[in-house]
Amino acid sequence: EPEVTQTPSHQVTQMGQEVILRCVPISNHLYFYWYRQILGQKVEFLVSFYNNEISEKSEIFDDQFSVERPDGSNFTLKIRSTKLEDSAMYFCASRTSTVGTGELFFGEGSRLTVL
Amino acid sequence: GESVGLHLPTLSVQEGDNSIINCAYSNSASDYFIWYKQESGKGPQFIIDIRSNMDKRQGQRVTVLLNKTVKHLSLQIAATQPGDSAVYFCAENPPSGSARQLTFGSGTQLTVLP
Repeated sequence: EPEVTQTPSHQVTQMGQEVILRCVPISNHLYFYWYRQILGQKVEFLVSFYNNEISEKSEIFDDQFSVERPDGSNFTLKIRSTKLEDSAMYFCASRTSTVGTGELFFGEGSRLTVL
Repeated sequence: GESVGLHLPTLSVQEGDNSIINCAYSNSASDYFIWYKQESGKGPQFIIDIRSNMDKRQGQRVTVLLNKTVKHLSLQIAATQPGDSAVYFCAENPPSGSARQLTFGSGTQLTVLP
């Protein structure tokens, strides 16, 4: 069964450092997303990406965040200068289409710990 | 503001009993709803979805009910098993926006007792 894969599974970094989280969405999917989940809280939308550009972003997704699809398979989330409050699980997700309905497939997540 | 929320943060049921997890939503324009299951340390896993033109949808051991009048969504799990222990999130898909991102509720921790 196709799946969304994410690396690394866990990253520990010092405050102020840059972090890149990587995702390989399902191959025939067209829409890509990043969500985050602070420990014990709900899953929060960060950004959606389609046709090589950001479609929508939340207020969480400030100038410290950026996304990229550098090649045909990877989808990355970069945090330029990490803060303590960036510590969370970051989930990548993808779906085939936004026409009508469509299941959003999530990866297993990357746990970011900022010290 | 618009939100999706859950009535109860925790639910404990005996193995074999039926479970009912509830969710309230406030965006009356949302046209699609999904229930996700999240096991510890894992990503959300799709369980079942329902469109706003339906009141009920059944899957394998799960049923989702949608009451648009009171903006309420429920997930029923029949014959709950230990493997059902997880956090359950409802999510809505508002019609606005080009990429139709999901808005998640706060989650209910389901614990299945032996």
